[in-house]
Amino acid sequence: AQTVTQSQPEMSVQEAETVTLSCTYDTSENNYYLFWYKQPPSRQMILVIRQEAYKQQNATENRFSVNFQKAAKSFSLKISDSQLGDTAMYFCAFMVTGNMLTFGGGTRLMVKP
Amino acid sequence: DGGITQSPKYLFRKEGQNVTLSCEQNLNHDAMYWYRQDPGQGLRLIYYSQIVNDFQKGDIAEGYSVSREKKESFPLTVTSAQKNPTAFYLCASSIDAGTDTQYFGPGTRLTVL
Repeated sequence: AQTVTQSQPEMSVQEAETVTLSCTYDTSENNYYLFWYKQPPSRQMILVIRQEAYKQQNATENRFSVNFQKAAKSFSLKISDSQLGDTAMYFCAFMVTGNMLTFGGGTRLMVKP
Repeated sequence: DGGITQSPKYLFRKEGQNVTLSCEQNLNHDAMYWYRQDPGQGLRLIYYSQIVNDFQKGDIAEGYSVSREKKESFPLTVTSAQKNPTAFYLCASSIDAGTDTQYFGPGTRLTVL
């Protein structure tokens, strides 16, 4: 069974600074996908970024980027120029091709003015 | 606008009653999913459907039932057999199951009185 671990239950960052959220996963598979989802106070899950395991290049979406280390089974999310609207729960998720999503326990991020 | 809708946003149920949560999507996605989220935790898969008239149990299917009579609709019934139904329920859909990004609806908060 695949597992996803987010070791930081809570984090905080000052507005305009950079923060990195950690995620590790465990699998014996070679083909899979990794995701970061954001859940703001409204509680709707919003896709932040997606990474295919076969791609060596780290995915980026505007201020959001990942550091994907396949050998270490690590998938961290970096948020640059943090904004108040980034305050949310962040979930790392993992999906083996042909299988279902497995979510981590989440990291609560607070952006302080 | 394309998207996923869930209704109602808040739902109250007396113990011993069945209740049905609605999920509709107009994204023309084949796959649909139901997740349960408890306070401070990640998402757990209840049921999923890869195609009309077919669905599979997820990790926590006991006490729940679903149907998939139309591509656009995937209602979830929380039965009286579910021991602890108070939770936040999220519906998601994807183009297909196992390879594609899942997109989420706004969720339904169910409270058992």
